[in-house]
Amino acid sequence: QSVLTQPPSVSGTPGQGVTISCSGSSSNIARNAVNWYQQLPGTAPQLLMYTNNQRPSGVPDRFSGSKSGTSASLAISGLQSEDEADYYCAVWDDSLTGWVFGGGTKLTVL
Amino acid sequence: QVQLVQSGAEVKKPGASVKVSCKPSGYTFTGHFIHWVRQAPGKGLDWMGCINPNNGGTKYAQKFQGRVTMTRDTSITIAYMELSGLTSDDTAVYFCARETSSFASGSFSDWFDPWGQGTLVTVSS
Repeated sequence: QSVLTQPPSVSGTPGQGVTISCSGSSSNIARNAVNWYQQLPGTAPQLLMYTNNQRPSGVPDRFSGSKSGTSASLAISGLQSEDEADYYCAVWDDSLTGWVFGGGTKLTVL
Repeated sequence: QVQLVQSGAEVKKPGASVKVSCKPSGYTFTGHFIHWVRQAPGKGLDWMGCINPNNGGTKYAQKFQGRVTMTRDTSITIAYMELSGLTSDDTAVYFCARETSSFASGSFSDWFDPWGQGTLVTVSS
């Protein structure tokens, strides 16, 4: 059972948009910045979004992040086949005094 | 460019220990914390803890306390993660990752970038 709750899977067709939610609590998302990682099949995770809504260089502006209260979201517009991957949210938890990850969301591009 | 290169796959027997190494390059080794995250087959990411390469200070996740030891050797700029008392539940890919911090708009934020390629540890009798 993960401290952060994500939907196990989302799907969309090429060109569509999808949103992945990440639900936390007052000890983590409400107090600290959320990061998102993309894990392509068989590879290590890569930073996709940091400090709630900041894109590292090289990440297309089709990806956007937001945070409100105890929840965060990752939106992907104009889906492409190469977006098929697992997506994880992560945040520091002040009660656990450690980093926590969501359970991960598998994005399928139909 | 910044990269972290990890040691190769390991096969261990239950009860044994494993030591995984992480060799960063492309930046000042002592300038960034190194974190360890594991991923069991078909499962999500699980944070294990971190080490400050500057002074060797560590912070471990509660579930690994007493079984994990993170160290570093500044002379050869390598970080290590050793896990003892292995069981089949410890079969996983172990990743190291560099922490980057920023202070903006009155608050700190941190993230992991980049990550090592991962080291598969298989525990089997």
